[in-house]
Amino acid sequence: EDQVTQSPEALRLQEGESSSLNCSYTVSGLRGLFWYRQDPGKGPEFLFTLYSAGEEKEKERLKATLTKKESFLHITAPKPEDSATYLCAVRQGGSEKLVFGKGTKLTVNP
Amino acid sequence: DTAVSQTPKYLVTQMGNDKSIKCEQNLGHDTMYWYKQDSKKFLKIMFSYNNKELIINETVPNRFSPKSPDKAHLNLHINSLELGDSAVYFCASSPTGGDYNEQFFGPGTRLTVL
Repeated sequence: EDQVTQSPEALRLQEGESSSLNCSYTVSGLRGLFWYRQDPGKGPEFLFTLYSAGEEKEKERLKATLTKKESFLHITAPKPEDSATYLCAVRQGGSEKLVFGKGTKLTVNP
Repeated sequence: DTAVSQTPKYLVTQMGNDKSIKCEQNLGHDTMYWYKQDSKKFLKIMFSYNNKELIINETVPNRFSPKSPDKAHLNLHINSLELGDSAVYFCASSPTGGDYNEQFFGPGTRLTVL
């Protein structure tokens, strides 16, 4: 049973066209929801940690939000350099391991 | 300065061979991990060590054996390589002692078994 589901699998945007990526999760006792960015041929790069429902974090054109069931990664006025795969991961209470979703591949066309 | 480094970056080998991948981190973290990313880009935990002690051991064939000589190093040895072992292997590290600690990943080792 998938604990972390990301949607859509792939998203194409025009430069400047804002949108959101979704990460829904089913773990209990959440000890952190993490967003990573992965460029082709590279390791995941840490973006955000969200701790509790209602929390928001921002970095440049990215804003991550968290509810009790899902997280959104909002991308405002994206640029081609925002093209990457965005990974969501959760850590459950009592465990050190991260469970990753399958990612959303974002392509931003100029 | 590279925070989490892995060697080699690429590894091409024949079925049945034994190979090792090395990982080092200079972040002063206590916990290190090995992940496998398959052809569909799904990233899954394999092992984790905290201060040289194994704390996570997922359902992984016993042909895979991690070894941590000290808390800055975590190596992965694979015996009798199979075609299905072809994937990208990532090492990661994180601090411990607090909640919500993020993990920092290395650049990955692309293993191709022929």
